[in-house]
Amino acid sequence: QKEVEQNSGPLSVPEGAIASLNCTYSDRGSQSFFWYRQYSGKSPELIMFIYSNGDKEDGRFTAQLNKASQYVSLLIRDSQPSDSATYLCAVEVGGTSYGKLTFGQGTILTVHP
Amino acid sequence: SAVISQKPSRDICQRGTSLTIQCQVDSQVTMMFWYRQQPGQSLTLIATANQGSEATYESGFVIDKFPISRPNLTFSTLTVSNMSPEDSSIYLCSVEKGAGAKNIQYFGAGTRLSVL
Repeated sequence: QKEVEQNSGPLSVPEGAIASLNCTYSDRGSQSFFWYRQYSGKSPELIMFIYSNGDKEDGRFTAQLNKASQYVSLLIRDSQPSDSATYLCAVEVGGTSYGKLTFGQGTILTVHP
Repeated sequence: SAVISQKPSRDICQRGTSLTIQCQVDSQVTMMFWYRQQPGQSLTLIATANQGSEATYESGFVIDKFPISRPNLTFSTLTVSNMSPEDSSIYLCSVEKGAGAKNIQYFGAGTRLSVL
């Protein structure tokens, strides 16, 4: 079983729609969760992080965390073609004193006009 | 955030040779990380470099193949030794910096390595 698993893509949504990206993790000790966006040929850039159960909103992005279900998601509202990228879910490994991250395999999102 | 400079940005190397990748950050950081991203794949952590101590390697990665230096709080190097075509990948360094209550990892632009 993969430690961090993301919904298989690619995901294609029309411009203006809501894109929903999902991630499950196996380590119940994990406390912090990150979403990175990676454009083709570029390095990952942080979109959001979340560590409390519930929702966290930042502009068009909402991260949702459910520790009981070991599930974290990212919603992108009013999707734009510029949102087309690979989205990486990263989970901070529990029990470490520093931020060791385990990444999911990524979900490719395409927003078409 | 952090400004991270990684060199070289890309290289083409011959089998059996070694390449040293440099990572420079614009401020002092405790933790630096080295990742590998194989074509079409996600990021895999190679090792964690803490200034003043030996690097900590992840399962499947060994110091003889990927020696790491961390001479100060703003600089680290990763060497890919005795390269084979299987080492063709993107190598990324990242640093951990505080952002409010959390530490965040920021990534360099990566080194795209092709081994012939």
